[in-house]
Amino acid sequence: GAGVSQSPRYKVAKRGQDVALRCDPISGHVSLFWYQQALGQGPEFLTYFQNEAQLDKSGLPSDRFFAERPEGSVSTLKIQRTQQEDSAVYLCASSNLAGRRTDTQYFGPGTRLTVL
Amino acid sequence: AQSVTQPDIHITVSEGASLELRCNYSYGATPYLFWYVQSPGQGLQLLLKYFSGDTLVQGIKGFEAEFKRSQSSFNLRKPSVHWSDAAEYFCAVGAQNSGYALNFGKGTSLLVTP
Repeated sequence: GAGVSQSPRYKVAKRGQDVALRCDPISGHVSLFWYQQALGQGPEFLTYFQNEAQLDKSGLPSDRFFAERPEGSVSTLKIQRTQQEDSAVYLCASSNLAGRRTDTQYFGPGTRLTVL
Repeated sequence: AQSVTQPDIHITVSEGASLELRCNYSYGATPYLFWYVQSPGQGLQLLLKYFSGDTLVQGIKGFEAEFKRSQSSFNLRKPSVHWSDAAEYFCAVGAQNSGYALNFGKGTSLLVTP
């Protein structure tokens, strides 16, 4: 079956531009997570959705970062006025159940964002 | 707060040799622990996970990990490494909040030599 997909796979932005990154989770998955992976680091949590509700956005680094999942499926991570420190791989993951410790998260291939 | 430490940034092993990647965690209760592998340009793939029960966990691709509460460790092992195992390996612990979002270590890069 289809896994988690993300688009675009690569994005180059000039500093100050706005970008939008898309995540298509596995069909029917309730939970959706965004992570940011800087070069040479492990992924770091950004935000968590359960269906369309954003239950935790504590990991978003600034108010320039905004995520939504309006219909409880596809999610978009938007970064306004991009800065060089936003350069990273943005990973999306989904899991079948609603925030249970036994869930397995399935990751997409990521979007590599480079801010010049 | 939950955290994960992977002490080894890089490890080099010969093909056919055994492998052990170290992972130490900090967690107030019984943790749930994961090992993921990331190949260049690929997403993270789950190798194995531990929630409770048998402390020796079997995963895919011939990997296993042992949970040792007394040492706060969850080391990943493989008896005989193949060249295709060269990748970045991440240990992670699930957070109780945030829908059990994962806290990852910084990763260990595995190089396999002929």
